[in-house]
Amino acid sequence: DQQVKQNSPSLSVQEGRISILNCDYTNSMFDYFLWYKKYPAEGPTFLISISSIKDKNEDGRFTVFLNKSAKHLSLHIVPSQPGDSAVYFCATTETGANSKLTFGKGITLSVRP
Amino acid sequence: KAGVTQTPRYLIKTRGQQVTLSCSPISGHRSVSWYQQTPGQGLQFLFEYFSETQRNKGNFPGRFSGRQFSNSRSEMNVSTLELGDSALYLCASSLWGASYEQYFGPGTRLTVT
Repeated sequence: DQQVKQNSPSLSVQEGRISILNCDYTNSMFDYFLWYKKYPAEGPTFLISISSIKDKNEDGRFTVFLNKSAKHLSLHIVPSQPGDSAVYFCATTETGANSKLTFGKGITLSVRP
Repeated sequence: KAGVTQTPRYLIKTRGQQVTLSCSPISGHRSVSWYQQTPGQGLQFLFEYFSETQRNKGNFPGRFSGRQFSNSRSEMNVSTLELGDSALYLCASSLWGASYEQYFGPGTRLTVT
């Protein structure tokens, strides 16, 4: 039972345009959401997060939107740069001492120069 | 601060053997989590250790085990290796626990032949 779904396995975007990466979850108890970026031969790197008390969080070129009623979050990258080409994982959790992050399968983003 | 380190980076083992992987977390981090990443799959949670105690466990067989030492360093052991155990094994450390922002090591690439 996949609790976190990233339905599009890949996305290709022109440099300078917006990249929108989507993620859906099933557990309404999830209250903290994160995005990680992963380059080949490296471990995932934390990108941005959002708590369920917010619906938007912005950090430079990266913005995460949360729609709790739809159980949907998205990551917007504006403008996209070739260095953004990587695999992006969304992760969610019900925060607490004995909880864990549940990851999606990832989306491969390619930004064309 | 030094990041999360994992040793070895690459490992080739034969089916039926056992293997031990090592992880040194960021200084001051007491939580260490282990993940398995295989092609087409996301990061699948193996277990979390916090202050030398296993606090959470994923849905993996008992062949997968781990431990944490008093200096927060952690080891993961896989016994009776199977071909399907070939994967990238990632370790992540966190200040507060596995449901919060985690910092990943580069991973150990295990190949079982």
